[in-house]
Amino acid sequence: QKEVEQDPGPLSVPEGAIVSLNCTYSNSAFQYFMWYRQYSRKGPELLMYTYSSGNKEDGRFTAQVDKSSKYISLFIRDSQPSDSATYLCAMSEGSGNTGKLIFGQGTTLQVKP
Amino acid sequence: GAVVSQHPSWVICKSGTSVKIECRSLDFQATTMFWYRQFPKQSLMLMATSNEGSKATYEQGVEKDKFLINHASLTLSTLTVTSAHPEDSSFYICSARDFSGAHSYEQYFGPGTRLTVT
Repeated sequence: QKEVEQDPGPLSVPEGAIVSLNCTYSNSAFQYFMWYRQYSRKGPELLMYTYSSGNKEDGRFTAQVDKSSKYISLFIRDSQPSDSATYLCAMSEGSGNTGKLIFGQGTTLQVKP
Repeated sequence: GAVVSQHPSWVICKSGTSVKIECRSLDFQATTMFWYRQFPKQSLMLMATSNEGSKATYEQGVEKDKFLINHASLTLSTLTVTSAHPEDSSFYICSARDFSGAHSYEQYFGPGTRLTVT
């Protein structure tokens, strides 16, 4: 069993739709949860960061963490064609000197105009 | 935001040769850099953690003698793929952490280097 599971998709939605992306994990020691966006042939860029359980909102993006269920989500409201990319969840046990990130497989999202 | 560069962005080499990839933090000092490998339609797999001035820590299954990592300064880490073979063809991405920044947890990723071994 992988430490982090993420549905690879692809996920195709019309412009303006609400998108829900999810990851599950097995390591209860994970405390830091991140969502990255990666365009084709580019490095990932950080979208959202959450420590422990709870919600965090930034513009059209909302990240949710439910540690009791070992489940995290990223919601994108009013999706735009420019949101078309691969979204990777990542997790870490700590932010200390190791800070090793474990990534999900990534979900490919296509937003159609 | 902090910028990480990689060079080259794309390289083709013949089987049996060695290739060096550079990772630079342009506007901050990075005591720790990470090297990842990403195969098509797959996620990033951590290869090693590179600490300035000390030996790199490799993940299980990654050959230390094949993937040589040097982190000689606070702004530069290099990954050398020695005696490359076609199965080493992949997208190699580095990241760096700015421990002095407001968000010391954040890893800033480079744009990646696509290696093709023929």
